[in-house]
Amino acid sequence: EAGVTQFPSHSVIEKGQTVTLRCDPISGHDNLYWYRRVMGKEIKFLLHFVKESKQDESGMPNNRFLAERTGGTYSTLKVQPAELEDSGVYFCASSRQLYQETQYFGPGTRLLVL
Amino acid sequence: AQTVTQSQPEMSVQEAETVTLSCTYDTSESDYYLFWYKQPPSRQMILVIRQEAYKQQNATENRFSVNFQKAAKSFSLKISDSQLGDAAMYFCAYWAGGSQGNLIFGKGTKLSVKP
Repeated sequence: EAGVTQFPSHSVIEKGQTVTLRCDPISGHDNLYWYRRVMGKEIKFLLHFVKESKQDESGMPNNRFLAERTGGTYSTLKVQPAELEDSGVYFCASSRQLYQETQYFGPGTRLLVL
Repeated sequence: AQTVTQSQPEMSVQEAETVTLSCTYDTSESDYYLFWYKQPPSRQMILVIRQEAYKQQNATENRFSVNFQKAAKSFSLKISDSQLGDAAMYFCAYWAGGSQGNLIFGKGTKLSVKP
């Protein structure tokens, strides 16, 4: 069984540009999560999808961030326009069910905004 | 609000020795889940061990075990017979369970293993 995959692994962009991150969860996992780790700080929750619906987006920092999950499969996280403070590692995780389920993480996308 | 604290930013252990990583948390819930995740350099974050708060018995996975002290809200990870491959960033995480999906993480502890 393939794990959670994320693309790209690294991205370097200039302030004001747009970047789109992609996450492919483990097949059959209805729950998909986005997290972010800013350098030296905790990994913070961004949002949670159940299939194609946003269950909880309380962690999204502002309206420059837009997450989608087309057809309940892969998800994208778009940052537009990117700011310097958006730099960090963006993790995606998935789980089959919500209750009593472990979340399995992808390798992360390292975003650097210059 | 729930919080997770890892007070050791960095730790070092000699190969084959034992090391303990500390984690404390704060919650008013009685049922919850605790996790240790490991992220090797430039590699995927993987689950090391998981503990359900309602279970009194400490979880164990091969060389990894936890000391779960519910009253003290402490959840330390012990790595026995440390190996070079154990070098990684270790994150302690809390999950309230139920409909709340998000994990709450500590800042992590960077573990180095000396040959």
